[in-house]
Amino acid sequence: KAGVTQTPRYLIKTRGQQVTLSCSPISGHRSVSWYQQTPGQGLQFLFEYFSETQRNKGNFPGRFSGRQFSNSRSEMNVSTLELGDSALYLCASSVGDRNGYTFGSGTRLTVV
Amino acid sequence: DQQVKQNSPSLSVQEGRISILNCDYTNSMFDYFLWYKKYPAEGPTFLISISSIKDKNEDGRFTVFLNKSAKHLSLHIVPSQPGDSAVYFCAASDGGGSNYKLTFGKGTLLTVNP
Repeated sequence: KAGVTQTPRYLIKTRGQQVTLSCSPISGHRSVSWYQQTPGQGLQFLFEYFSETQRNKGNFPGRFSGRQFSNSRSEMNVSTLELGDSALYLCASSVGDRNGYTFGSGTRLTVV
Repeated sequence: DQQVKQNSPSLSVQEGRISILNCDYTNSMFDYFLWYKKYPAEGPTFLISISSIKDKNEDGRFTVFLNKSAKHLSLHIVPSQPGDSAVYFCAASDGGGSNYKLTFGKGTLLTVNP
């Protein structure tokens, strides 16, 4: 079966712009989580959605937002980009429990 | 405050020997632990997990040990193979209510030399 698909794979944006990243979960998976990976901080939890509702949110500023659609696809938006937002953004999906999330390959965002 | 710590940024072992990756946690509410493996330019891949009601879980060459009193877990890979070379992340969840958030360590780069 198809895995978790994230688009685009690579993105270059200018400081101050906004960006939208997309994630299509594995068919049947209703939970989608987003993580930010940077060299110094490892993987940090952004938020988790289940059946279009945000169930959990990490310690990120309000510039980071997300949503989930009725088909479980999810988008993440970052407004007013800063240089420090440069990172690999990973999306993971699961059926809704803790038995191992399946991650996508990520979107590499570079802010210049 | 880092709740999941992987104190060794890197580890190098010879092919065929045992690799032991360590992880410490501070949050006593964590009750479910996972290990993920990550190759460059790919997302993390789930390896093995353990619930706090157990102290050991095996899956082929991979075994995870949990010492709740010490708040410590370790991943043993026996025998190590060159294809195991990757970054390994330890993750934990407290699972309270609908809390499916995973807290990750910063990872350990394992290099298995032929």
